[in-house]
Amino acid sequence: GAGVSQSPSNKVTEKGKDVELRCDPISGHTALYWYRQRLGQGLEFLIYFQGNSAPDKSGLPSDRFSAERTGESVSTLTIQRTQQEDSAVYLCASSLVQGDQPQHFGDGTRLSIL
Amino acid sequence: SQQGEEDPQALSIQEGENATMNCSYKTSINNLQWYRQNSGRGLVHLILIRSNEREKHSGRLRVTLDTSKKSSSLLITASRAADTASYFCATVFTGGGNKLTFGTGTQLKVEL
Repeated sequence: GAGVSQSPSNKVTEKGKDVELRCDPISGHTALYWYRQRLGQGLEFLIYFQGNSAPDKSGLPSDRFSAERTGESVSTLTIQRTQQEDSAVYLCASSLVQGDQPQHFGDGTRLSIL
Repeated sequence: SQQGEEDPQALSIQEGENATMNCSYKTSINNLQWYRQNSGRGLVHLILIRSNEREKHSGRLRVTLDTSKKSSSLLITASRAADTASYFCATVFTGGGNKLTFGTGTQLKVEL
């Protein structure tokens, strides 16, 4: 498809397990972003990729969170030893970098930690 | 803390009426953007206004930006039931790279 694709759309897991969330950005978009949205709230920035490198990781809440991007395309957000406070919708967005550009969002992964 | 604050938090209007949402932010920005989010979905970009612009239109949308007051407003004219959604402002602040800092959002309900 032409849009940003995220998988899985829903993930339910037990506290303490590791989870991997995947994002396929729009082809040709060199910038990729991860955000977290807790219930009823706005989005919190997690990490930004320019190509395969991450010049801004300032939003990652703890060292249990990590992300990588390969081939200037797919990105994976990994949460290790999940906690109940990790429950949220994780949204990925991509954009062109040049100038003032809007970000294009996927529908997110709804993560529930039991 | 999130940079943006929006008001009202919730707004309920009748179809055909206009809806106005306001957003305030705290630091110098490069641009300000408005997004819409339907329940359970991702965000859809509506409009971007640069820091040197004061007003922008797109269809039934009108956005204003007052950098001296660090505030913006989104006006939706002749609202429709399909406009029911949450609306967020987001800023790219100066020196912050390209990441968006989001407001808390306004839940708009347009009733028939």
